Amino acid sequence: AQSVTQLDSQVPVFEEAPVELRCNYSSSVSVYLFWYVQYPNQGLQLLLKYLSGSTLVKGINGFEAEFNKSQTSFHLRKPSVHISDTAEYFCAVSEEANNLFFGTGTRLTVIP
Amino acid sequence: GAVVSQHPSRVICKSGTSVKIECRSLDFQATTMFWYRQFPKQSLMLMATSNEGSKATYEQGVEKDKFLINHASLTLSTLTVTSAHPEDSSFYICSFKAGSYNEQFFGPGTRLTVL
Repeated sequence: AQSVTQLDSQVPVFEEAPVELRCNYSSSVSVYLFWYVQYPNQGLQLLLKYLSGSTLVKGINGFEAEFNKSQTSFHLRKPSVHISDTAEYFCAVSEEANNLFFGTGTRLTVIP
Repeated sequence: GAVVSQHPSRVICKSGTSVKIECRSLDFQATTMFWYRQFPKQSLMLMATSNEGSKATYEQGVEKDKFLINHASLTLSTLTVTSAHPEDSSFYICSFKAGSYNEQFFGPGTRLTVL
């Protein structure tokens, strides 16, 4: 069975500092991995995805994530955050053509 | 990219009334779509999956007679919350599945408040 763990429910970080949001998953088969961002009272916007190929994936807004199969992780990183990055971030996993399973989310707060 | 709209974006209703939420894909067609609900400060919980022309498949614990889903076409799905109660107050989000990798495109969500 699939599961997604986002260990950090809240991450405060100062503006222009780097950030890493952690995501671990469990699955017995190959997976597709996604990171979504949700701004207040809005739906989810895709940041980036890993389907196959290069394990380092670059997304929008300067975010990137690295798929690590041995550690079953897909951590999200940004070298320098902006105030506008304050939002909720969700990691999600899908086994082939099955449904998406979401983590519990990480609230990123960028402090001026 | 794929654009999904939801209407209304916000609705307030009295207890016992029914509320219909529309979800449309604006620039693509999809045979499979999903409805989620999200309680404050929580993740998205899948309510049901529907395929165009077929009955929706509901997740465990979701009442199919209370949350009526009509997948009318490849670009339109509706969720009707029947006889709404305060505990149904939530953020409802739809998504359409596109492509072969189960990438989903999400609507902006509908905030339902039942008084």
